[in-house]
Amino acid sequence: EPEVTQTPSHQVTQMGQEVILRCVPISNHLYFYWYRQILGQKVEFLVSFYNNEISEKSEIFDDQFSVERPDGSNFTLKIRSTKLEDSAMYFCASSDEGTGRNEQFFGPGTRLTVL
Amino acid sequence: DQQVKQNSPSLSVQEGRISILNCDYTNSMFDYFLWYKKYPAEGPTFLISISSIKDKNEDGRFTVFLNKSAKHLSLHIVPSQPGDSAVYFCAASWGYGNKLVFGAGTILRVKS
Repeated sequence: EPEVTQTPSHQVTQMGQEVILRCVPISNHLYFYWYRQILGQKVEFLVSFYNNEISEKSEIFDDQFSVERPDGSNFTLKIRSTKLEDSAMYFCASSDEGTGRNEQFFGPGTRLTVL
Repeated sequence: DQQVKQNSPSLSVQEGRISILNCDYTNSMFDYFLWYKKYPAEGPTFLISISSIKDKNEDGRFTVFLNKSAKHLSLHIVPSQPGDSAVYFCAASWGYGNKLVFGAGTILRVKS
């Protein structure tokens, strides 16, 4: 069964450093998303991406964040200058139309630790 | 932002019995409601969803009920199994390709 994959599974970085989190969505999906979950809190939406552009972003997704689909398979989230409060699990998701269930398929997540 | 609420942080159920997880929402624009299951250190896994034009959807042991007038939905798991022990998230969205708004989650423990 197709699945969303994410790398790395765990990223440790120093405050102020740039990180890039990588995702390979399900191949025929058209919509891509990033969410994050700070320990003990709910899963929060960051950004959605469709047709090579951002379709929606949350208040969390400020100028330090960017997304890119550099080729036909990868979808990346870049944090330019990490802060302590960026420590969280970051989940990539993808979806398509027509299933009638409106589900998004999530990857296993990348645990980002900012020291 | 409390558009989707799961007021029970945890639920403990005996194996073989029914588990009922509840969720309330405030935004009338939502047209799809979903339940996800999550194990520690894994991503959320889709379980079942319901469109706002329906009041019930069933898939095997899982049934979701939607009460639009009360802005309330519930997930029933019958019979509950120890492998069902996980965190269950209620989520809502409007239209395809739009964000999911998640509740805080309910930890389900099924005791054998």
